[in-house]
Amino acid sequence: GNSVTQMEGPVTLSEEAFLTINCTYTATGYPSLFWYVQYPGEGLQLLLKATKADDKGSNKGFEATYRKETTSFHLEKGSVQVSDSAVYFCASLHSGGYQKVTFGTGTKLQVIP
Amino acid sequence: DAGVIQSPRHEVTEMGQEVTLRCKPISGHDYLFWYRQTMMRGLELLIYFNNNVPIDDSGMPEDRFSAKMPNASFSTLKIQPSEPRDSAVYFCASSPQGLASDEQFFGPGTRLTVL
Repeated sequence: GNSVTQMEGPVTLSEEAFLTINCTYTATGYPSLFWYVQYPGEGLQLLLKATKADDKGSNKGFEATYRKETTSFHLEKGSVQVSDSAVYFCASLHSGGYQKVTFGTGTKLQVIP
Repeated sequence: DAGVIQSPRHEVTEMGQEVTLRCKPISGHDYLFWYRQTMMRGLELLIYFNNNVPIDDSGMPEDRFSAKMPNASFSTLKIQPSEPRDSAVYFCASSPQGLASDEQFFGPGTRLTVL
C-alpha cells in the first residue's frame, strides 16, 4: 500500500538557518505530493504541492521537488523565521481520483530567535 | 467562502455520554473527510464521503463511531458511548473534484475531552 515517511522531530533551528525536512513515499503509480503546515491551534493548510515528476512546488520561501528516482519530496527553506514554527506534514495522493490521502506523521519545527 | 466550518470548537464530556461533532464543507466540494489527531497516533483518516455517500470507513475505530452526511452541506461524526481514549482533535476537511491535484481544505478542528 501507499505510505509516507518523514523525518522525526522536533527540529530546532535558529532564525535564518537552512531547513530541510525529509520525506519519502511509496506508492503504486505516480502520486501527487503535498506539504501541509499546521500552526498551533489550527487545522492543516496546504503549503505547496507537485503533481508530477521533476515538478517543484514553492510557497512562502519553501520549496520541494518531486524526485521520482529517489521517491522523495524533501521540504527546504533557505532562511527560516520564528513565524515558521509549526508542524509540517508530507502527504501523497494517488492519481486516478482515489481520494484517500496518506499523511506522514508530521515534523515539528521550532525556530528560536 | 468561509471555509470548512466545524462545531463545537471545544467539547468536554463525561465517559459514557454521546458526542456529536458537526461539519459544513466548502460549497461545491464533492468530498468530505473526517480525521482524528492525537499525539500518539498522529493524523488518522476515519472516513470519507463522495457526494454524500460513505466511500471508505475503514479508519473508524469501533462501532461506537458513526458518521453521516445527509446532504451536501452537512456532516456529523457521532461517538456513543464516549470513552477517555477518544479524547483528540477531530478535523473535517473537504476537497473539490476528486482530482489527483486537489488539495484538502481543513476546518479548525474540534478538541474533544472525555473525562
